[in-house]
Amino acid sequence: DAGVIQSPRHEVTEMGQEVTLRCKPISGHNSLFWYRQTMMRGLELLIYFNNNVPIDDSGMPEDRFSAKMPNASFSTLKIQPSEPRDSAVYFCASSLGAGDYEQYFGPGTRLTVT
Amino acid sequence: DAKTTQPTSMDCAEGRAANLPCNHSTISGNEYVYWYRQIHSQGPQYIIHGLKNNETNEMASLIITEDRKSSTLILPHATLRDTAVYYCIVNPRGRAAGNKLTFGGGTRVLVKP
Repeated sequence: DAGVIQSPRHEVTEMGQEVTLRCKPISGHNSLFWYRQTMMRGLELLIYFNNNVPIDDSGMPEDRFSAKMPNASFSTLKIQPSEPRDSAVYFCASSLGAGDYEQYFGPGTRLTVT
Repeated sequence: DAKTTQPTSMDCAEGRAANLPCNHSTISGNEYVYWYRQIHSQGPQYIIHGLKNNETNEMASLIITEDRKSSTLILPHATLRDTAVYYCIVNPRGRAAGNKLTFGGGTRVLVKP
C-alpha cells in the first residue's frame, strides 16, 4: 500500500485566500484524523472521522476551519479565509478502526500564509 | 487523559542501546502506553504499545513498571536513522474511547556516531 497520501505537500498563499488540503487514507482504514503541528503548540488533533462521520471536532480552532469526508477514500480540510497564524504543518492519519488500532500518518502539508 | 513526563532531550551512541524513560503516574487502569516517533520533516510513526506486560517488536522493547506509573522504551541498537523526537502517550483503547492521541513535547533523541 502507498500509505496515507496528502496533497499538496507545500502550499503558500496570501492572507484571506481559501486553502484546501487533501488526504487519501490507507485503503480499508475506517478512521481518519487531521492534526496540526506548530513550534508553539506542538502536534494537535483537529478532528477525526469514523466511517466517514465526524466524531470529534473539538480541536478545530474556529469556524474558518472545516473538514469533510465524502467517502472512505478522501477527506479535505478547508480554511476560509486563511490567516498568517494558520501557518503550520497539517498531518492526516488513518487507522483501521476507532479506539483499537495504531495510526498511520501521511507526510504532511506545509502551509504558509503570508 | 493521563499526562506523561519525558526528558526534553538525550544523546546516545550509535550501536548502543537507547533507554527512553516516561513517567505517567496518573495513568488509569484502562489506559495503554503508546510510543510514537517523528523523524525530521516526516509524520509521526507508531513504534509500540502496551498495557502492563513488557512488549517487544522489530523496532523496540517496552518495559512497564509493575505499578504502571512509568515505562521505558528501549532501542536495542541505535542507528543514526533513529534520531527523532520520541513521544510517550497514554490513551484508553476501545470503541467508546475513540482514538484521540494527545502528543506532548516528547524527547529529542540524537544518535551520535
